[in-house]
Amino acid sequence: LAKTTQPISMDSYEGQEVNITCSHNNIATNDYITWYQQFPSQGPRFIIQGYKTKVTNEVASLFIPADRKSSTLSLPRVSLSDTAVYYCLVHYNQAGTALIFGKGTTLSVSS
Amino acid sequence: DTEVTQTPKHLVMGMTNKKSLKCEQHMGHRAMYWYKQKAKKPPELMFVYSYEKLSINESVPSRFSPECPNSSLLNLHLHALQPEDSALYLCASSSIRASTDTQYFGPGTRLTVL
Repeated sequence: LAKTTQPISMDSYEGQEVNITCSHNNIATNDYITWYQQFPSQGPRFIIQGYKTKVTNEVASLFIPADRKSSTLSLPRVSLSDTAVYYCLVHYNQAGTALIFGKGTTLSVSS
Repeated sequence: DTEVTQTPKHLVMGMTNKKSLKCEQHMGHRAMYWYKQKAKKPPELMFVYSYEKLSINESVPSRFSPECPNSSLLNLHLHALQPEDSALYLCASSSIRASTDTQYFGPGTRLTVL
């Protein structure tokens, strides 16, 4: 299973763009990259998933370089409500397989 | 509807009690999961069910007993727990037929073992 490394914490201000980078040097050919967000005492919430290049949805963008050894979650114009823990996961993209959560990045957004 | 529900929201039990946690989803998902999360730690996988059959057991102690009575329900039976088992227990589900695997998590049950 691919191991991920991401910063323990990040600080930002409202309205700024936040980029969280995750490294996953031993990602396998069939692995996907998924990001989850978790607020205290709540279950993780799916943010975005990708395999290569760039993926964008209504809340975030995910940038994956050609070698796929890292990925960057981009949150445009963060608000106080984006304060949470963000987990990067690399996993075989098939239901019924394990998700291994790393330590995550605690993002703190201030006004 | 992408909702996974869990009951109860909070549970306090003694070490000699028997209790059960319940998880329900109506998204037609055929893969369901139990995770355990200690304070300030990431979730850790406990069990995976695929098509109502246990497919992964991450060496969980036998005092935790999972059950999947049908495709919408997942239970976790608890017996003779220890105080160190106090944690947030999360249930998740995902669609086996989907082209990409997205796990949808419930809000969790906060368990305290006295």
